[in-house]
Amino acid sequence: DGGITQSPKYLFRKEGQNVTLSCEQNLNHDAMYWYRQDPGQGLRLIYYSQIVNDFQKGDIAEGYSVSREKKESFPLTVTSAQKNPTAFYLCATKSQPWGGNEQFFGPGTRLTVL
Amino acid sequence: EDQVTQSPEALRLQEGESSSLNCSYTVSGLRGLFWYRQDPGKGPEFLFTLYSAGEEKEKERLKATLTKKESFLHITAPKPEDSATYLCAVPLTTDSWGKLQFGAGTQVVVTP
Repeated sequence: DGGITQSPKYLFRKEGQNVTLSCEQNLNHDAMYWYRQDPGQGLRLIYYSQIVNDFQKGDIAEGYSVSREKKESFPLTVTSAQKNPTAFYLCATKSQPWGGNEQFFGPGTRLTVL
Repeated sequence: EDQVTQSPEALRLQEGESSSLNCSYTVSGLRGLFWYRQDPGKGPEFLFTLYSAGEEKEKERLKATLTKKESFLHITAPKPEDSATYLCAVPLTTDSWGKLQFGAGTQVVVTP
């Protein structure tokens, strides 16, 4: 079954903890993206990657880190430096980073800080 | 600065009551406009891509149109299963790596 998987679906974090959100794709897409969604706001870009071993900061990268060691995987770590991490996190892919073609989204991970 | 504004923020419809959602944008050299549907607690589902003014795309009860300044998503004779948040997005003018600017969305509720 092709597509984008994100895990876990729900994640709870205590103050001061780092947590890692998983994003895996088998679409053979080059570009991958991480977004954060808060109620009443548009999706905001955290990090993106166009190729293995390369990634760029988005608009709200502070307190987050990523890696792209494999084409299929783009994990996001929410560090203790992120002051307000409670949100819905979405991973997306695009067949090629350039051009006007669409992005496809995974099912999301809801992170809650206890 | 690239901006995308969606209106209204929320829309409540009776089943069968057609309506339109608006997505206005301020980008130069539009390189596409995307519509997505998002159900509560799920990731956005791709609906349409529009590339040039005058272009139209249809899928079941949804029809998307594009002008030089805005796009409309028309919902014809909606059913309760059309209830969702509809998002539009455009590629950033200054970016060649596929970064998108999203609107805040229109939440549509269709009642029987």
